Amino acid sequence: KAGVTQTPRYLIKTRGQQVTLSCSPISGHRSVSWYQQTPGQGLQFLFEYFSETQRNKGNFPGRFSGRQFSNSRSEMNVSTLELGDSALYLCASSFLAGWETQYFGPGTRLLVL
Amino acid sequence: DQQVKQNSPSLSVQEGRISILNCDYTNSMFDYFLWYKKYPAEGPTFLISISSIKDKNEDGRFTVFLNKSAKHLSLHIVPSQPGDSAVYFCAARTNYGGATNKLIFGTGTLLAVQP
Repeated sequence: KAGVTQTPRYLIKTRGQQVTLSCSPISGHRSVSWYQQTPGQGLQFLFEYFSETQRNKGNFPGRFSGRQFSNSRSEMNVSTLELGDSALYLCASSFLAGWETQYFGPGTRLLVL
Repeated sequence: DQQVKQNSPSLSVQEGRISILNCDYTNSMFDYFLWYKKYPAEGPTFLISISSIKDKNEDGRFTVFLNKSAKHLSLHIVPSQPGDSAVYFCAARTNYGGATNKLIFGTGTLLAVQP
């Protein structure tokens, strides 16, 4: 069974631009969560989707948004990029919300110049 | 408010010996705990988990212990191998208020296993 895939793997943007990241969960998994990893803040929860509905949202500004499609694939969008948005963005999938184990993708490395 | 804490930023052990990684938490509503291993520029890899109704879970060389009264969990790796060298994160979750996959992560411990 294929793992969680994320595209693109690397991205360079400039301040003020917007970016869209994609995540395809493990086949059969319906829950997708997003995390941001930075050296200063560690791994922080962004949001969680299940059956196309956002179930939970972390403490991030409204510039960060996401959605989930009927095939469980998910996208996250960051508008008006800031230098501090440079990070590794990780997607995790799980069979159900509240399920025991989540599996992470390789991440998208975003660099904002 | 750091609800999950890993107070040791790094740990160095000799190959073949035991590695013990520690994690403390403050939220008594956490009902599930997980350990992940992470290499640079890669996603975390799930290692082992434990429900709050248990105090021990074993999977091969990995054992997780949970002490609810102390709000403390630990990961034991026996025997340690050079390939175990990575950053280890503990994470916690609570379903209080509704089923969720939201994980609260610790800051990580860098384990170096010396040959």
